[in-house]
Formats: sequence, structure tokens, C-alpha cells
Amino acid sequence: KQEVTQIPAALSVPEGENLVLNCSFTDSAIYNLQWFRQDPGKGLTSLLLIQSSQREQTSGRLNASLDKSSGRSTLYIAASQPGDSATYLCAVRNTGNQFYFGTGTSLTVIP
Amino acid sequence: KAGVTQTPRYLIKTRGQQVTLSCSPISGHRSVSWYQQTPGQGLQFLFEYFSETQRNKGNFPGRFSGRQFSNSRSEMNVSTLELGDSALYLCASSLAGVAYEQYFGPGTRLTVT
Repeated sequence: KQEVTQIPAALSVPEGENLVLNCSFTDSAIYNLQWFRQDPGKGLTSLLLIQSSQREQTSGRLNASLDKSSGRSTLYIAASQPGDSATYLCAVRNTGNQFYFGTGTSLTVIP
Repeated sequence: KAGVTQTPRYLIKTRGQQVTLSCSPISGHRSVSWYQQTPGQGLQFLFEYFSETQRNKGNFPGRFSGRQFSNSRSEMNVSTLELGDSALYLCASSLAGVAYEQYFGPGTRLTVT
């Protein structure tokens, strides 16, 4: 069974800092990996989708990388802002077509 | 383009009752997936429907069921509710196949008393 882990569980940084969130998965037989953010009590907002054949995706201040063979993905956030405060989740879609979510990283950006 | 909508947003039920949740996907999206989110277990995949057929299923008891209609709208049913079914139920839609991005609705908060 696929296991998805996110480290750290919580992170607090001053505004303007660049930061990296980590996601690791145990089974490399994946179709893709998607990063989301979730604000308290709300649904998930899609940030980036990386197909298994891709190495990275970029959107604005966000850059996500994927190393399928080592079972790792990172989400890089440049010049963090207080509005970036949220829980960040990664999810993998297995070739068995099931979705597995990570445990999340709670990010606080201090003004 | 309207996003994924879920109704109702909040629901309180009693143990033993049943409940039906509804999800309307983004226009043109044919795949709908359902998830349960709890503080202890995190986000867990329930099932996915594509073109009115259940394409995949997570590891949940048979009390959890779903269906999809010809207009891609989906419903999820939970019978014989238990206290442990209290959770945020999220629905996500995507265009079609496995390569596509998922878009989530705001969720239905179910409380079982």
C-alpha cells in the first residue's frame, strides 16, 4: 500500500523567506503527483500537478519537483507572504488509480 | 466557470440514520471522486466515478456508497451512521482520465451525534 509522508508537520518562517516543503512516497508506480493548499475549514485548492514523466512544474512563486525513482517531491515557495499561511498537502495517483494523500505541512508565515 | 459545488455544507445526524451528500462537478468534467477528512486519519479516498461507473474504490465499509448521474453529478450515501463517520466529506472533479488535475469543492461537514 502506498504511504505518503510530509515533513515537517509544521513550519513557521518570517515573511520574505524562501522555503521548501517535502513529500515522500513509498511506491514509485505513480501516474502523477499533485500539490494542494487547504485553508482552515475549507476545501483544497490545487497548486501544481506533475506527471510521472515530468521533473518539475512552476507557477508564479511556486516550483514543484518530482524524483519518481527516489519517491520524493518538493514544493519550493519563494519570497513567502502571510497569505501563504495554510496547510500544504501532496497527493499521488497510483497506477492502480487510487489516490493517496500525505499528512500535510502546516505553514505559518510571520509578518 | 463555476467550481465544484457540494450540498449541504453542514449536516447533523443521529447514529443509525442515513445521509446523502451531493456533488456537482465543474462543467465538462466527467470524473468525480469522494474523500473523507478527519483529524486522526487525514484525507482518505472513498471512490471515484467516471461516466456513471465506479472506476475505483478505497478501503471503506459497504455502508459507504455512491453513484453518478448522466450529467456527471454525483451523490454519496452513508447508511447506519456511526459516531466515527463525523468528518469533512470532500468531492473533487477532473476532466477525464488519470492525467488530469483534480479540483475540490468546499466540502460537507457531517456531525453524527
